[in-house]
Formats: sequence, structure tokens, C-alpha cells
Amino acid sequence: QVQLVESGGGVVQPGRSLRLSCAASGFTFSTYGMHWVRQAPGKGLEWVAITSYDGDNMYYSDSVKGRFNLSRDNSKNTLYLQMNSLRAEDSAVYYCAKELGDYGEMNAFDIWGQGTVVTVSS
Amino acid sequence: DIQLTQSPSFLSASVGDRVTFTCRASQGINSYLAWYQQKPGKAPKLLIYAASTLRSGVPSRFSGSGSGTEFTLTISSLQPEDFATYYCQQLNSFPITFGQGTRLEIK
Repeated sequence: QVQLVESGGGVVQPGRSLRLSCAASGFTFSTYGMHWVRQAPGKGLEWVAITSYDGDNMYYSDSVKGRFNLSRDNSKNTLYLQMNSLRAEDSAVYYCAKELGDYGEMNAFDIWGQGTVVTVSS
Repeated sequence: DIQLTQSPSFLSASVGDRVTFTCRASQGINSYLAWYQQKPGKAPKLLIYAASTLRSGVPSRFSGSGSGTEFTLTISSLQPEDFATYYCQQLNSFPITFGQGTRLEIK
């Protein structure tokens, strides 16, 4: 079935780095834009970043721009989020999500992973 | 950035009630609006996209309407499994933004 599985979360000290992965299955990964969304404890949803289906275009929220780097390996059906210079305010559940429409038709996120928890603390 | 303001922030209702949530955008977003349901400890679930299109498999008691800057999500007859938090999301322009959520609780 269509599935996204995140991994790589954990506890990390401020200023350090962490890389999240999102393994996709059950659909043609290379034809869909992919996103990361995060949710701090007890808070709402915050969009983080998008990669286009082919990896040629990326956009980031201002809160992570210059610190986070998104990439994808379509041969491995995997999405990555490299998070550098982590701050306490980056602590959240990180979800990867698939666009509903293919080839850049960005109308909603129809499949979400279960989330991976990132805690930034000394 | 486009801000989305949801109202109310909290709603208490009973099984069988009809409820309506509102999402207002700070500028026009055409119909690039989606609604999600989230239960505690779970990922969000897509309900409505393009403002009014019901996602396949979502019960027909859910409906969406609106365009431009004002949108609504209606649940025609609340079921026990509908008690959750609901978020709107705009995909008209980057950065993509979410509303702050409406928490729906059992009265």
C-alpha cells in the first residue's frame, strides 16, 4: 500500500546536525513533489520545505532557510532532510508528506508518514 | 506570507450536531485550500482539497466551500470518530501555511 516511513529523529544538542529520511513505497515516487511538515509539542502544523518531483526545485520556510537542506534519491524512493545548526525551537515531530497531484500539481498532501521526533536539548 | 485564521479555536458539540468551521485567508488564494483532520498522536488526514473536493474515502457528511479569502468546512451530523482537531492549509503560494486549528470536543 502507499506508505511513507520517516526515520532519523532523536535527541541532539543545540548547534549540532541531524538527517531525517523518509522511505516511500506503493507509488511512483519520482513523479510526486514531497514536503516536510513539523509540529512542535502541543502546537499546530508548520510547513518546512518542498522538493519538486524531479528534485530541481526546492523551497524552504524562512525559519529553516540556510540551515536545512532537502534532497531526494528517486532511485531509492527516499526523501532526506539535512538539519544543521539545530535550535531548541526546531524540536518537533517531523512528517514527510506526498502531494496529491503528480508532476507539480500541488493541491494537497494526501499521504503522510507517522512522524519522527526531533528533540534539540543540551 | 499568507496567514490563515480559523474560527472558532475550540468547539464543543454533541453527536448528531451540524458544525461549521471557518478559515479566513489574509489575501486571496483562489481555491487552493485543503482541510485536514488530526487526532492526538497521529498524522493529519486529508479531508477536502481545492476548497470543496471531497477526498475519496472520506464520508460525505464532510463538505467544504468557499473561494478567495473565506472558506468553510461543515460536518453535517457529527459522529464519535469526528472529535479531533481540524486544520486548513493554503497552497496558493509559498510559504505554504496552515491555520492554527479548531479543536472539536464532545459536549
